Amino acid sequence: KQEVTQIPAALSVPEGENLVLNCSFTDSAIYNLQWFRQDPGKGLTSLLLIQSSQREQTSGRLNASLDKSSGRSTLYIAASQPGDSATYLCAVGETSGSRLTFGEGTQLTVNP
Amino acid sequence: SQTIHQWPATLVQPVGSPLSLECTVEGTSNPNLYWYRQAAGRGLQLLFYSVGIGQISSEVPQNLSASRPQDRQFILSSKKLLLSDSGFYLCAWRRRGSTNEKLFFGSGTQLSVL
Repeated sequence: KQEVTQIPAALSVPEGENLVLNCSFTDSAIYNLQWFRQDPGKGLTSLLLIQSSQREQTSGRLNASLDKSSGRSTLYIAASQPGDSATYLCAVGETSGSRLTFGEGTQLTVNP
Repeated sequence: SQTIHQWPATLVQPVGSPLSLECTVEGTSNPNLYWYRQAAGRGLQLLFYSVGIGQISSEVPQNLSASRPQDRQFILSSKKLLLSDSGFYLCAWRRRGSTNEKLFFGSGTQLSVL
């Protein structure tokens, strides 16, 4: 059974700092990995999707990397802003194709 | 463009009462549809997914059920709610046959069972 772990559970940084969020998974036989953002009481917004054959994806100030063999992914946020404050979740798409297994998320607070 | 609608946004129900949450998707055809639950302080748990009308796969045993009466409509139901059914329910969709495409979520329903 796939298990996804996100460390740290919470992170507080000053504005402008670069930061890294971590995601690890137990079964490397994955289809893809997706990073989401969730604001309090809201649904999830997809940020980046990395296919199993890819090593990284970039969107603006966000860069996500994937190392399948070690079961790890990182989300790098450059020059953080208060508007980046949210919970970030990673989810692993399994080879069966139909389901994602989610981590519990990292709650990020960027202080002005 | 595609949009996903989920309602209601919040719901307070007594134990033992029935439940019906609706989700509809616009701007696409034949989507894969999903129901997730997010309990407080925990990750998302997949409850049901559907690859077509009338086709429902259940991921966990529970007193909830799902139905897909139309291509772009997904309904989550219960005949009798339990306290443990409280949580944040999220509907999501993805293009059918495209496991390497993004999953898109609705805005969620906060259910409190009292």
